[in-house]
Amino acid sequence: DSGVTQTPKHLITATGQRVTLRCSPRSGDLSVYWYQQSLDQGLQFLIQYYNGEERAKGNILERFSAQQFPDLHSELNLSSLELGDSALYFCASSKRGTGGFEELFFGEGSRLTVL
Amino acid sequence: SQQGEEDPQALSIQEGENATMNCSYKTSINNLQWYRQNSGRGLVHLILIRSNEREKHSGRLRVTLDTSKKSSSLLITASRAADTASYFCATYSGYSTLTFGKGTMLLVSP
Repeated sequence: DSGVTQTPKHLITATGQRVTLRCSPRSGDLSVYWYQQSLDQGLQFLIQYYNGEERAKGNILERFSAQQFPDLHSELNLSSLELGDSALYFCASSKRGTGGFEELFFGEGSRLTVL
Repeated sequence: SQQGEEDPQALSIQEGENATMNCSYKTSINNLQWYRQNSGRGLVHLILIRSNEREKHSGRLRVTLDTSKKSSSLLITASRAADTASYFCATYSGYSTLTFGKGTMLLVSP
């Protein structure tokens, strides 16, 4: 158990809809990262927050947005969903948010299926 | 986009054999990490090697880094069925954050 909690574990929805994925980082970790994993694209970095502020941005679509709240949990909002958004969405956390200088602790992921 | 590319894409061995996976990357890095993912589960950190290190060990794992060739290898000795998983290298170059390759799927048969 990594200590990172993601909900929901599975989500099935229709094209055009909007969903929210939630992540609670490990106790004491200030930084949260979101990754998308699909068979064709592999593991793609979406966005990183550190103590409530956006720190780094990757291949995140404009239809997607995220935020980190004062209690350090984070939410990833996906809107106007398309079939191609079907993927596993991972949240990871780390203490200092130094990106690559420390290990990341991953949650079990939220599997999104868009029909 | 992927920075690291693992090779081979898939590897099948018998228990007790050694497994070697390779990772090549394109730009200079600060460090390189290896992660493991059991089917459909979250990734688990295995080892971090800094750009000024050439080799690192952790239990049955041995990682090497050759910055002149922009490559790294992960060796798992005396493989067990429980080592069956996908293995990813992840690089950090000082920009953005960790960038993962597409992984090597390792199957260890009893």
